[in-house]
Amino acid sequence: GESVGLHLPTLSVQEGDNSIINCAYSNSASDYFIWYKQESGKGPQFIIDIRSNMDKRQGQRVTVLLNKTVKHLSLQIAATQPGDSAVYFCAENTPFPTDKLIFGTGTRLQVFP
Amino acid sequence: ETGVTQTPRHLVMGMTNKKSLKCEQHLGHNAMYWYKQSAKKPLELMFVYNFKEQTENNSVPSRFSPECPNSSHLFLHLHTLQPEDSALYLCASSQESREYEQYFGPGTRLTVT
Repeated sequence: GESVGLHLPTLSVQEGDNSIINCAYSNSASDYFIWYKQESGKGPQFIIDIRSNMDKRQGQRVTVLLNKTVKHLSLQIAATQPGDSAVYFCAENTPFPTDKLIFGTGTRLQVFP
Repeated sequence: ETGVTQTPRHLVMGMTNKKSLKCEQHLGHNAMYWYKQSAKKPLELMFVYNFKEQTENNSVPSRFSPECPNSSHLFLHLHTLQPEDSALYLCASSQESREYEQYFGPGTRLTVT
C-alpha cells in the first residue's frame, strides 16, 4: 500500500538516532493496542502489541509505552535505520459494544543519512 | 507462495463496470478481512469472515459484495462503484477472528473513473 494520506504528520530522524512516534487513542475502555508499519507498496505489518494491564513492552529495537491516564501510546525505535522509513499507525481494540479494532491515520517516518 | 496475496495489484474501472478483487492466504488461518484505505483517512474495516461465515459487515454499501468460498480465499465483487470508492483495498487474515495479529496483503489500488 502506498501512503495513507498526502498530509500525514512526518517525523524526520537521522540514521542511528532514536525515534518516538506518538498516538492518542479515543476510548478509555480500549484494552488492547497494536502498532503497525506500512512500507510503500506493501500492506501493514504487525510490529508490537500491548494490553491495557501493562505500561511498557519491549521488542527487538522497539518499545511501546502506554499511558492510560492521558490515553496516549508511543512507539520508540532505537538506532533508527533507513529500512525503518514507513508509515506507522496505531490501532486500539474497543471491547464495547463489540470487539472492534480502530486504526489511527498514521505518522510518516523518514530516515536520512 | 507464502503470506497473503492479492490480485490485481492495480485496477481502473468505470462506474458501470463489474470487477472482482481476489485474496488468498497461505497461512492456514481461519479468519479473513477486507479493509479500505483512503487518503487522509484511517483504515476502515469492511467485512470479516470466520470459518467462511461472514461475521461482520461494517455498514458497507451493497455495491461491494464479498464472497468467501473457503478459509483460504476471499473475493470482493464490485459493481456500479462511485469515484469516492477509489482507494487501496487490503485483505488480511488471522488465526481466529478475535485475534488482532493480522497479516495483510499488499492491497489492490482501485481507481473508479
